[in-house]
Amino acid sequence: GAVVSQHPSWVICKSGTSVKIECRSLDFQATTMFWYRQFPKQSLMLMATSNEGSKATYEQGVEKDKFLINHASLTLSTLTVTSAHPEDSSFYICSARLWTLSYNEQFFGPGTRLTVL
Amino acid sequence: AQSVAQPEDQVNVAEGNPLTVKCTYSVSGNPYLFWYVQYPNRGLQFLLKYITGDNLVKGSYGFEAEFNKSQTSFHLKKPSALVSDSALYFCAVRDSFISNFGNEKLTFGTGTRLTIIP
Repeated sequence: GAVVSQHPSWVICKSGTSVKIECRSLDFQATTMFWYRQFPKQSLMLMATSNEGSKATYEQGVEKDKFLINHASLTLSTLTVTSAHPEDSSFYICSARLWTLSYNEQFFGPGTRLTVL
Repeated sequence: AQSVAQPEDQVNVAEGNPLTVKCTYSVSGNPYLFWYVQYPNRGLQFLLKYITGDNLVKGSYGFEAEFNKSQTSFHLKKPSALVSDSALYFCAVRDSFISNFGNEKLTFGTGTRLTIIP
């Protein structure tokens, strides 16, 4: 249980185009999902917290208009990189929060490799 | 603010030898601690976690970690390393306090690349 998927697993796009990445919780409902970015040989940096039915909360330094997040259902959050540029090339990982009786935990997707030419 | 330190960027261990990957943390309240492993171009795979209870936590693939509150450490260990253990390992922490919105954030260390030498 607690499986999170991402689609696509990799994408190559031209500079100036927009790219949408989907994050799905397959066997549980997630009111909250998180989007991370990982540069080569670096750690995961939280970009934003996605809440179902409300606006996402962005971390300091992350451009809201650049990285559009939509969490329209309890099992799906999308990240759209608008007007992508080569510096947006990165590995994007999402996670979904699952509540248990005593605490909550994040389960991670397999990641999406974005390359902007 | 919470933080995680993984002091070693790279750890090399001979196959069959015990391995340790170090992690220290800082959090205002009681910590929830996690270890994840990442293979090239893959997402994070959960290894183990400490929430409460026994300080020695056993996880996947024979890994274990010991929570040491006085030293604020959560080192990852395995008695006998396998070549297949070679990967990037991340330690993560979050505060156990549950806010009204529950948007607890995980803070990750910078990662330790573990190489097992045949």
